[in-house]
Amino acid sequence: KAGVTQTPRYLIKTRGQQVTLSCSPISGHRSVSWYQQTPGQGLQFLFEYFSETQRNKGNFPGRFSGRQFSNSRSEMNVSTLELGDSALYLCASSLSGGEETQYFGPGTRLLVL
Amino acid sequence: GDSVTQMEGPVTLSEEAFLTINCTYTATGYPSLFWYVQYPGEGLQLLLKATKADDKGSNKGFEATYRKETTSFHLEKGSVQVSDSAVYFCALTPSGTYKYIFGTGTRLKVLA
Repeated sequence: KAGVTQTPRYLIKTRGQQVTLSCSPISGHRSVSWYQQTPGQGLQFLFEYFSETQRNKGNFPGRFSGRQFSNSRSEMNVSTLELGDSALYLCASSLSGGEETQYFGPGTRLLVL
Repeated sequence: GDSVTQMEGPVTLSEEAFLTINCTYTATGYPSLFWYVQYPGEGLQLLLKATKADDKGSNKGFEATYRKETTSFHLEKGSVQVSDSAVYFCALTPSGTYKYIFGTGTRLKVLA
């Protein structure tokens, strides 16, 4: 089975712009979670989707949003980018979430200038 | 709120030394507990997990026991190898929340 794929792998944006990141889960997985990874904060949970519904979200401002499509692919969007949004954004998929093993993608590295 | 605290790194050990990486947590109810590992140049992957109190997760010689009384899930290995050099993350998900809390990670370096 193909693993979790994320596109693009690298992005450079400037402050004030917006960005959309994409995640394709492992075939058959319906739960997708997103994380922000930074050296100082580690991995911070952004949100989790299952069957196109957001079931939970972390403590991030409303500039961070996401969605999931009927084929379980997911996108996250960050509007009005700030320098502090520079990070590695990881997505992970599992069959149905919860206590199940999450399988992580390679991440999208975002640099905001 | 829910949180995970794991020991600061880096941890540097000689090959064949005993490893302990401490992890304690705060969570309501009965969370599931995980250790994920990130090898150099690779993505995060599950190392082991435990879903209820007193469960022991094990994989690749690593073990961790879910201790509800001490709210801990310490990672141990009896004899580390150079190939175990990686960053280790302790994590939890409170039951039924679909929310995932990770520790800040502990970098392990094993010297030959």
